[in-house]
Amino acid sequence: QSVLTQPPSVSGAPGQRVTISCTGSSSNIGAGYGVHWYQHLPGAAPKLLIYGYTNRPSGVPDRFSGSKSGTSASLAITGLQAEDEADYYCQSYDSSLSVLFGGGTKLTVL
Amino acid sequence: QMQLQESGPGLVKPSETLSLTCTVSGYSISSGYFWGWIRQPPGKGLEWLGTVYHSGTSFYNPSLKSRVTISVDTSKNQFSLKLSSVTAADTAIYYCARIVDPIAESDLWGQGTLVTVSS
Repeated sequence: QSVLTQPPSVSGAPGQRVTISCTGSSSNIGAGYGVHWYQHLPGAAPKLLIYGYTNRPSGVPDRFSGSKSGTSASLAITGLQAEDEADYYCQSYDSSLSVLFGGGTKLTVL
Repeated sequence: QMQLQESGPGLVKPSETLSLTCTVSGYSISSGYFWGWIRQPPGKGLEWLGTVYHSGTSFYNPSLKSRVTISVDTSKNQFSLKLSSVTAADTAIYYCARIVDPIAESDLWGQGTLVTVSS
């Protein structure tokens, strides 16, 4: 069981907005360590979507956005597209001196 | 265009040492950034194994620290992973990645290589 908790799955229809949560604790997200999000398509390399809670790397559409509140962070995807169907992972750092990943969330576009 | 490519045996016997190499092209490891390994067991999520700087300074997942060694060869522009005393639980896709900072994001990943532990 991951220290960073994500819902196993979320779904939405094309054009809709979905959010994926990442819940941690006072020793990781709550301690101020950054949260980063990755998109992972089967058979492909994971792709960085969001870094430092809210920042998008060059080339990532502004349909993807991140936020943080207390010991949790969220990834929001607006204007859902079929190509967004993938697994999404959050990542942070813990005061136990370990990089942590969430368990992953499978996004299904209906 | 910078790329990372994992290489190594796809099959390792139990109790032996898993060895993988990541070759970096389009960027000199000595120029900066950190470099690391992450794995994904079948049907499971991502797990960080460790991170290394071109100087050789390394950081490891505390749960695997006794079995993991990550080293760097700047002359070949490569870094390597060794995982000792493997069991079936170490069967996974192994990814190498460029890491911005030891506690920060991985901004570029390799395609990954499947390693199966079986006799």
